[in-house]
Amino acid sequence: QVQLVQSGAEVKKPGASVKVSCKASGYTFTSYDINWVRQATGQGLEWMGWMNPNSGNTGYAQKFQGRVTMTRNTSISTAYMELSSLRSEDTAVYYCARALWLHAFDIWGQGTMVTVSS
Amino acid sequence: SYVLTQPPSVSVAPGQTARITCGGNNIGSKSVHWYQQKPGQAPVLVVYDDSDRPSGIPERFSGSNSGNTATLTISRVEAGDEADYYCQVWDSSSDHPGVFGGGTKLTVL
Repeated sequence: QVQLVQSGAEVKKPGASVKVSCKASGYTFTSYDINWVRQATGQGLEWMGWMNPNSGNTGYAQKFQGRVTMTRNTSISTAYMELSSLRSEDTAVYYCARALWLHAFDIWGQGTMVTVSS
Repeated sequence: SYVLTQPPSVSVAPGQTARITCGGNNIGSKSVHWYQQKPGQAPVLVVYDDSDRPSGIPERFSGSNSGNTATLTISRVEAGDEADYYCQVWDSSSDHPGVFGGGTKLTVL
């Protein structure tokens, strides 16, 4: 079946970086954009950016420009999101999501909890 | 960047109809998508492109979009519909194209 499976929970210190993976299966990885969305505890959904797995082209929310990098490895159908210079406010669940051509997110990963704490 | 406004909460009795609104400037000119999120789970797409349903989503879920307001309608509400609901659009003209509303907590009384 079509699914996205993310890497496990991470605990990082302020100033460090985190890299979350998102492995796609059940469909052609390069045919759909991957978006990243995060959610702090008790808060709403926050869009972070998108990546085209075919071209590698990316687009990031201005809030994360300079701190976020989205990449992929097409040989293993996996997308990555790396966030640097972590601060406590980055503590959240991070989701990858497949985007339909209308930019509706039809398939979501299970989420990866990232905790930033000294 | 584009702003979507949702009411924080909506309450409805079982069997009744719930309507959740999503306001935005001329939102009727955009495609609106809706997600359901239950506690501890990833969001699930329930309506896309204003009014289409993904396979597996009950016909009780429907959507509309006109002017400055999009609406998610849930008919014959069940206890299992209790969740947070988010609207979302893609604003291609913006440097922040992915936009979510703040979310609405649907409580089934």
